[in-house]
Amino acid sequence: QSALTQPPSASGSPGQSVTISCTGTSSDVGGYNYVSWYQQYPGKAPKLMIYEVNKRPSGVPDRFSGSKSGNTASLTVSGLQAEDEADYYCSSYAVNNKYVVFGGGTKLTVL
Amino acid sequence: QVQLQESGPGLVKPSQTLSLTCTVSGGSISSGDYYWSWIRQHPGKGLEWIGYIYYSGSAYYNPSLKSRVTISVDTSKNQFSLKLSSVTAADTAVYYCARLRSPSSNFDYWGQGTLVTVSS
Repeated sequence: QSALTQPPSASGSPGQSVTISCTGTSSDVGGYNYVSWYQQYPGKAPKLMIYEVNKRPSGVPDRFSGSKSGNTASLTVSGLQAEDEADYYCSSYAVNNKYVVFGGGTKLTVL
Repeated sequence: QVQLQESGPGLVKPSQTLSLTCTVSGGSISSGDYYWSWIRQHPGKGLEWIGYIYYSGSAYYNPSLKSRVTISVDTSKNQFSLKLSSVTAADTAVYYCARLRSPSSNFDYWGQGTLVTVSS
């Protein structure tokens, strides 16, 4: 079981769009639509932003969207706002092994 | 509104067993739609899944921790617990409990987290 691969950092100016990638294998990301994304502010618990690749929980702005192609999932934040500056983690579930695996996290900076 | 709250010692000595409890309120731990999970985060690092348990007692663990981890559930108290044995300084982390929704397998509710330091 290896961690999913995310870029350590990403950045964009207010109003721009930024995309964060999350690469796994055919056993996790590529095998099922069980990819989720979490936002975490310093000192706080993570918050679910996207589940099942592209679904948003109630209350999450539609500026946040998710997608997947093959073994790579992506989180796109459109119309960047200062409040979007946080750490973002992807997660996937490996159905066959019943494991959960996280990505290493991406620090999003709003310039 | 579901709430989860971790409790337990903030300081554990090396080689001892770390024990934490998560109390669930606002919902039943016996709901068949969810698993109950532990996740940790080393200082300044990313999230690490520890394991999860179903209300029936079926549990699944991270292979890298499996030999030292036990997760149990007490449906009468609406609580679930984590035990991590033979701890070292490398187990110093913020420990979170969270609800894992089935089958979509996302963590939709989290506790606030509790810092456990392993030190003599």
